[in-house]
Amino acid sequence: DTAVSQTPKYLVTQMGNDKSIKCEQNLGHDTMYWYKQDSKKFLKIMFSYNNKELIINETVPNRFSPKSPDKAHLNLHINSLELGDSAVYFCASSHGSPLHFGNGTRLTVT
Amino acid sequence: QKEVEQNSGPLSVPEGAIASLNCTYSDRGSQSFFWYRQYSGKSPELIMFIYSNGDKEDGRFTAQLNKASQYVSLLIRDSQPSDSATYLCAVNRMGSQGNLIFGKGTKLSVKP
Repeated sequence: DTAVSQTPKYLVTQMGNDKSIKCEQNLGHDTMYWYKQDSKKFLKIMFSYNNKELIINETVPNRFSPKSPDKAHLNLHINSLELGDSAVYFCASSHGSPLHFGNGTRLTVT
Repeated sequence: QKEVEQNSGPLSVPEGAIASLNCTYSDRGSQSFFWYRQYSGKSPELIMFIYSNGDKEDGRFTAQLNKASQYVSLLIRDSQPSDSATYLCAVNRMGSQGNLIFGKGTKLSVKP
C-alpha cells in the first residue's frame, strides 16, 4: 500500500482557476508537509502541519491555503492560479525526520 | 550565501567506479543531514541520513559528515547504471526537524 498518496497525479488548468490537491498518509505520522519543486528542480518547503495545527508557513502567496482535516490528511487549495504556479507539488510526512514523500502532483497552468 | 550548495553536475562515472557527491551548508545549528535520490519524474527517495560527525555506511552507500567544515558527502561504491539519478542533499533548519532545506541536486550518470 502506498504510504503517502496524492491526487491528482497531473493537473492541467487555465490561469485564474481554483484547484485542489489532496494528500493522505497511512504511516501514522504526526506531521505533514507541502513542498514545491520548480522547473529547475529546486525543492522548497511551503507548509507544515503537526496534528492538524499549522506550524510552518513559508513565504507563500495567500492564494495557497492548506487544510488538514485530521493528522492523516493535508490538502492544498490554490486560488486564482498563475503561470508561475506551474511546478510539481510534493506532499510529505514524518515523525520527527526523515521525510517520506508522495509521488507528486504535476501542475501545469496555461 | 546559499543555504545548501551542491555541484549540479552532471557527474559522470563508469560502471563499477566510486561516485563522490558533495554538499556544503551554511546553518551551523543544523543537526540532521539527508541524502535523497530522485529519478526523473519521480519523487525523492531517502537513501541515507546522518546526525553525527564521521562516516555512516549502508551497503554501497557511505555518508560522511564534518560539522566543523559544514560539509556532507555521499560515496557510492561499485556504481551501477541504475544509480543514475539526481542526488539531493538536505539539511534541517535549526530547531525544526522536519523543515528541510534542499540543495539543487547533483545529477549522476553512470556509464555502462
